[in-house]
Amino acid sequence: NAGVTQTPKFQVLKTGQSMTLQCAQDMNHNSMYWYRQDPGMGLRLIYYSASEGTTDKGEVPNGYNVSRLNKREFSLRLESAAPSQTSVYFCASSEAGQARYGYTFGSGTRLTVV
Amino acid sequence: RKEVEQDPGPFNVPEGATVAFNCTYSNSASQSFFWYRQDCRKEPKLLMSVYSSGNEDGRFTAQLNRASQYISLLIRDSKLSDSATYLCVVGGYNKLIFGAGTRLAVHP
Repeated sequence: NAGVTQTPKFQVLKTGQSMTLQCAQDMNHNSMYWYRQDPGMGLRLIYYSASEGTTDKGEVPNGYNVSRLNKREFSLRLESAAPSQTSVYFCASSEAGQARYGYTFGSGTRLTVV
Repeated sequence: RKEVEQDPGPFNVPEGATVAFNCTYSNSASQSFFWYRQDCRKEPKLLMSVYSSGNEDGRFTAQLNRASQYISLLIRDSKLSDSATYLCVVGGYNKLIFGAGTRLAVHP
């Protein structure tokens, strides 16, 4: 089925370890986003890429880096994981940078940092 | 102050009830408005867009008041399957801002 695919679905890291969350979409969308969701906080934007070749910081970028590898793929890297980064991470994509059409989300990555 | 504010609930209602959720947003320059639904441990899914003229999709009606910066969602004839968290979402240039959600529990 067409959509947004995230890998892995679950991950446990030790403090200080690094990892990359992968996201790919097959809808030919221009814009892609990384959010984290914590209880009571709602979804918070980490980074976004309005189009291939561009990335911008969102609300909570500290501790993360991103790469827009091509139009399909947008990865999120944690260089040195911290317990505060325990969260559910969602990748999303949209047709246009102005987000007027809403987003399609991946199924999420549940990350625990111990 | 949060950019998008919602009552977290939970709203506990019986099947067949009518329930309304409200949301306020702080950025008067916001351009797009949505309601998303999120089931437990799942990703958010677009429920409906919200237009100034108001719009309806079956049992769901959404309203937008730009002057008051207020968005509403009305669910009529609630079903058990409507139990979920409803996210109010406001869009500016390039990105959407999500409210923390209102939880709805429909019981028999």
